[in-house]
Amino acid sequence: DVKVTQSSRYLVKRTGEKVFLECVQDMDHENMFWYRQDPGLGLRLIYFSYDVKMKEKGDIPEGYSVSREKKERFSLILESASTNQTSMYLCASSGQTSGTDTQYFGPGTRLTVL
Amino acid sequence: GENVEQHPSTLSVQEGDSAVIKCTYSDSASNYFPWHKQELGKRPQLIIDIRSNVGEKKDQRIAVTLNKTAKHFSLHITETQPEDSAVYFCAARSYGNNRLAFGKGNQVVVIP
Repeated sequence: DVKVTQSSRYLVKRTGEKVFLECVQDMDHENMFWYRQDPGLGLRLIYFSYDVKMKEKGDIPEGYSVSREKKERFSLILESASTNQTSMYLCASSGQTSGTDTQYFGPGTRLTVL
Repeated sequence: GENVEQHPSTLSVQEGDSAVIKCTYSDSASNYFPWHKQELGKRPQLIIDIRSNVGEKKDQRIAVTLNKTAKHFSLHITETQPEDSAVYFCAARSYGNNRLAFGKGNQVVVIP
């Protein structure tokens, strides 16, 4: 059973703070993704990675960066948090060990920036 | 890039009736179409998917149909139950790509 975990369920930060959101998967998946979910806007892709140290911009990368130093871990970084980054952040992974196509999601981190 | 649209945004159905959600996509090279269900407060989970070499796929009360010519695909839920109440997301993946393009989601409400 694929397990994708995220470091926090709820997070409250101040404007201008540096924020780290971490995601870990235990299925040796090559691909990892970060989405943000906002009401009426669905799931929007921020960044994704298809291998260690590789990253690709998604549809809304501005204000974010990512790090993938190990295969199982994918971090999302908000260099200087702003109030418009208040959102639900979802991590997902997919890979050969579970059929490549299916994306498995983490439980989400609800981030509030004050 | 791929653009996926979902209609309607909200759907209310009586328990026992059928629900149908339609999605359209823009990239004719897309070859994989999953549907995810997200219950309130929970993570999205894959419920069914279809590939471009198949026109229809069924799994108990849910089915997905694909019309490649018209570039649309639909989720059909029969004999709806209260536990079917959720947000449903369609998505499409272009050939050679690892990423999915998601629709904005449909809120389905099953009225007991």
